[in-house]
Amino acid sequence: KNQVEQSPQSLIILEGKNCTLQCNYTVSPFSNLRWYKQDTGRGPVSLTIMTFSENTKSNGRYTATLDADTKQSSLHITASQLSDSASYICVVSEASGGYQKVTFGTGTKLQVIP
Amino acid sequence: DTGVSQNPRHKITKRGQNVTFRCDPISEHNRLYWYRQTLGQGPEFLTYFQNEAQLEKSRLLSDRFSAERPKGSFSTLEIQRTEQGDSAMYLCASSRAGTGQWDTQYFGPGTRLTVL
Repeated sequence: KNQVEQSPQSLIILEGKNCTLQCNYTVSPFSNLRWYKQDTGRGPVSLTIMTFSENTKSNGRYTATLDADTKQSSLHITASQLSDSASYICVVSEASGGYQKVTFGTGTKLQVIP
Repeated sequence: DTGVSQNPRHKITKRGQNVTFRCDPISEHNRLYWYRQTLGQGPEFLTYFQNEAQLEKSRLLSDRFSAERPKGSFSTLEIQRTEQGDSAMYLCASSRAGTGQWDTQYFGPGTRLTVL
């Protein structure tokens, strides 16, 4: 069974500090991995997408890494801001036939406090 | 491009009533997905269309749920004889096939359903 596990489940950090969120998956065959940010009561917003050949990708203060051998990904947030408070969801797509099967992690709830 | 839109944004209904939600995907996207998200949980996949064909349905989609995409553009999700357990956020996403390994899904704002 394909699984996507995220840790920690929740995290509280001070404004300006850095943090790293983890995502481990068992999805196979792997197609791509995405990180989404979801504000409370809103739909998810894509932060970045990682394919098999990509190890590191940055999008502003967000840096995502992917180790396809160990099936692990991380999302690093630098110089956190209050607006970073949200749930961060790791989503892994499986290449299956002609279409994508998508498995969602349960998310990490991040709270940035002043 | 206005992105993925969903209507209504909120729906409150009494148990046993039928409800219908609508999703308008990004215009050139041929894939459309429905997800359900309950409080504190990640989204759960419900069903997926490529053009007008419904290619995959989750076992979460019971007989009371039906989704259509008659012309390969907008989609509707109907829930019959609603139950309190149906209360959730229903998310729609769209993507464009034929881009190799890439299938970036763009999500709508969701429809929040409350069943009393």
